[in-house]
Parts: sequence; structure tokens; C-alpha cells
Amino acid sequence: KAGVTQTPRYLIKTRGQQVTLSCSPISGHRSVSWYQQTPGQGLQFLFEYFSETQRNKGNFPGRFSGRQFSNSRSEMNVSTLELGDSALYLCASSLLVQQETQYFGPGTRLLVL
Amino acid sequence: GNSVTQMEGPVTLSEEAFLTINCTYTATGYPSLFWYVQYPGEGLQLLLKATKADDKGSNKGFEATYRKETTSFHLEKGSVQVSDSAVYFCALDSSYKLIFGSGTRLLVRP
Repeated sequence: KAGVTQTPRYLIKTRGQQVTLSCSPISGHRSVSWYQQTPGQGLQFLFEYFSETQRNKGNFPGRFSGRQFSNSRSEMNVSTLELGDSALYLCASSLLVQQETQYFGPGTRLLVL
Repeated sequence: GNSVTQMEGPVTLSEEAFLTINCTYTATGYPSLFWYVQYPGEGLQLLLKATKADDKGSNKGFEATYRKETTSFHLEKGSVQVSDSAVYFCALDSSYKLIFGSGTRLLVRP
């Protein structure tokens, strides 16, 4: 079974631009979560989607948004990019219920110049 | 709120040495606990997990036991290899999200 895939793997943007990252979960997984990883703040939860509904959201500004499609694929969008948004963005998928194991993709490394 | 505390790294060991990475947590209820590993340039890989008190998770020679009394989930391996060099993250499940520790870098020298 294929793992979680994320595209693109690397991205360079400039301040003020917006970016969209994509995540395809493991087949059959209906929950998708997004995390931001930076050297200073570590791994921080962005949001989680299940059946196209956001169930939980972390403490990030409204510039960070996401959505999930009917096939469970998910996208996250960051508008008006800031230098501090440079990070590794990780997507994880899990089956259904709370406390199920989350399986991570390789991440998208975003550099904002 | 819920939180995870890991020992500071880096941890430097010689090959075949014994490894312990400490992890303690604060949580309401009894969350599932996880250890993830991250190799350079990669995402997170699940190493092991435990879902209830006294459960022992194990994988690839690594072990961790869910200790409710001490709110701990320490990672151990009896004999590390150079290929174990990576960053290790302890995490707990909290309302559809994972809360991670800060990570511990392990460097194993030949």
C-alpha cells in the first residue's frame, strides 16, 4: 500500500506570495492532519480534517487554511507569506478514530525569501 | 494543557552501547503514546506506540513502556547501531492531534 504523498517536495516563494501544498493520504485513510516543523518551534499542529470537515485547529493565524476533498486528499494554503513561514510542512493520515496511529509523508520544505 | 518533555540532545554513543531517551508527559486521561523517528531530510516514521498503561511498544530492537505512575514513556535499545543515528520524537495523542516533544538527536559513532 502506498504511503502518504506530498507535493511539491520543495518550494521557494517570496514574501507576500501565497502557496498551496497538497497531500494524498494512505488509501482508506479518512483523516488528514498537517504539522509545521521549524528549528525554533519544533513540531506544531496546524489542523485536522475528516470527511471534508475540520475537526481541530492549532494556534496559527488565519493566513493558514486548509481543506479536504471527497477522496480524502487535502490541501493547505498559506497566504501573504512571511519569512517565518519557512518550514517543513508535514502531512499525516490515519484511519478513522481518535488515538489511531498517524502516518506521515516526507513533507514539503518551504523557503520564503 | 497536555504536553511532552524530552531529554535534551544530542546524545552521542558508541556502536553497541545502551540507549535511553527520557520522555515524560502531562495529560488528562490516558492518551496513546508514540515514538517517531526522523532521518535527515525525511518525514517522521512511526517507531512504536502504546495505547494504555503498562503496555510495552517495541520495534526494531527499541522498546518503551507506558508508565502511568511516573507519567513516562522512555525509549530504550540494548545495542545501538550507526544506522540508528536520527532525531527521535516522543508524542501523545490529544483530541485528534499529536503533541510532540522537542526531539532528541542521537549520534552513534562506529
